[in-house]
Amino acid sequence: GAVVSQHPSWVICKSGTSVKIECRSLDFQATTMFWYRQFPKQSLMLMATSNEGSKATYEQGVEKDKFLINHASLTLSTLTVTSAHPEDSSFYICSARDGRSIQYFGAGTRLSVL
Amino acid sequence: GENVEQHPSTLSVQEGDSAVIKCTYSDSASNYFPWYKQELGKRPQLIIDIRSNVGEKKDQRIAVTLNKTAKHFSLHITETQPEDSAVYFCAAGGGNYQLIWGAGTKLIIKP
Repeated sequence: GAVVSQHPSWVICKSGTSVKIECRSLDFQATTMFWYRQFPKQSLMLMATSNEGSKATYEQGVEKDKFLINHASLTLSTLTVTSAHPEDSSFYICSARDGRSIQYFGAGTRLSVL
Repeated sequence: GENVEQHPSTLSVQEGDSAVIKCTYSDSASNYFPWYKQELGKRPQLIIDIRSNVGEKKDQRIAVTLNKTAKHFSLHITETQPEDSAVYFCAAGGGNYQLIWGAGTKLIIKP
């Protein structure tokens, strides 16, 4: 199957700093990528839909100024958590959609904000 | 808004028995129904999917059935093995390419 790479896998940062997470589709082009947040023992919560060459579409309740998304190419989307606070600590996971609408997931990023 | 309900939240079966997980969806425009398996600490992996033009699809020990009239679909795992232990998510998608996710089912295979 298709491969999606997500980096970093784990990051610890100080409160108030920003963290960038990258999501790359390695062997296919993805005009659409998705960013999710997953709490322990819970389902995937869609944060935003990232569209190549245009602005991301954010789900209700997700602050777009706090979670900046850039999808500058057909293989790369980035999520930047700005001015991170302890409540932003979570597991963030991206997915990329192929031409058949199948979503392939990255391995996720565990963010810990001190 | 659209939602997907998934049951049960936890399922414990004896090794070798069958497991069935059920999902219902609300958006009648949904036409794509994937199932993902997520092992502890790992990424969700697509295990099987079905589109609205068929009622059943099978891949070895795994099968999915779809009832569009009733708006529900199910995952069937036969001859369960210890490596089937994981959390399983169903989802429903439509023309906007987004997936609405179920809450997940933790499947426990008892030896």
